[in-house]
Amino acid sequence: SQTIHQWPATLVQPVGSPLSLECTVEGTSNPNLYWYRQAAGRGLQLLFYSVGIGQISSEVPQNLSASRPQDRQFILSSKKLLLSDSGFYLCAWGLANYGYTFGSGTRLTVV
Amino acid sequence: GENVEQHPSTLSVQEGDSAVIKCTYSDSASNYFPWYKQELGKGPQLIIDIRSNVGEKKDQRIAVTLNKTAKHFSLHITETQPEDSAVYFCAASSHKLSFGAGTTVTVRA
Repeated sequence: SQTIHQWPATLVQPVGSPLSLECTVEGTSNPNLYWYRQAAGRGLQLLFYSVGIGQISSEVPQNLSASRPQDRQFILSSKKLLLSDSGFYLCAWGLANYGYTFGSGTRLTVV
Repeated sequence: GENVEQHPSTLSVQEGDSAVIKCTYSDSASNYFPWYKQELGKGPQLIIDIRSNVGEKKDQRIAVTLNKTAKHFSLHITETQPEDSAVYFCAASSHKLSFGAGTTVTVRA
């Protein structure tokens, strides 16, 4: 069966520090991968998606970047965090017509 | 692109009563409509979905209806229980999933 792993679960980082969040998927090949952000009490904002290694599409211009160095690995990064980067970050995999499976999320607090 | 609107944004119901969440979509090419439940501090989980060739689908206490002509679909939860308290998201898909803004459901004991 397919599983998705996301870590860390919580992270507190100072403004200006770098960020690296990792997501891996098991049990499937060449998955479509997604990064979402959820501000407190808000909806799901699509940040990036990837249909293959090295292929990244950005939905919203911002202080973040994404990379897909391996087939089942998706990384969300920032060189210098802003206060506004705080939120709940979710990785997901799947196809639009079959639904997405979400990871357990990373709660990022920038202080 | 697809635009999904979801109402209400918050919903408080007495335990045992029914809850209904409604969504509308804009792209008539959308053909897949999943619903997700997100508990506090967790990722959303798929609870039920419906495709455009079906008008209604039921799974125990939850059901979803779809009106393609009007481009709206609804989630119905019957005999609500405290564990139904969560945020619910609808979504619609043509080539990419677009999510509604979410509904916070609180079931009062």
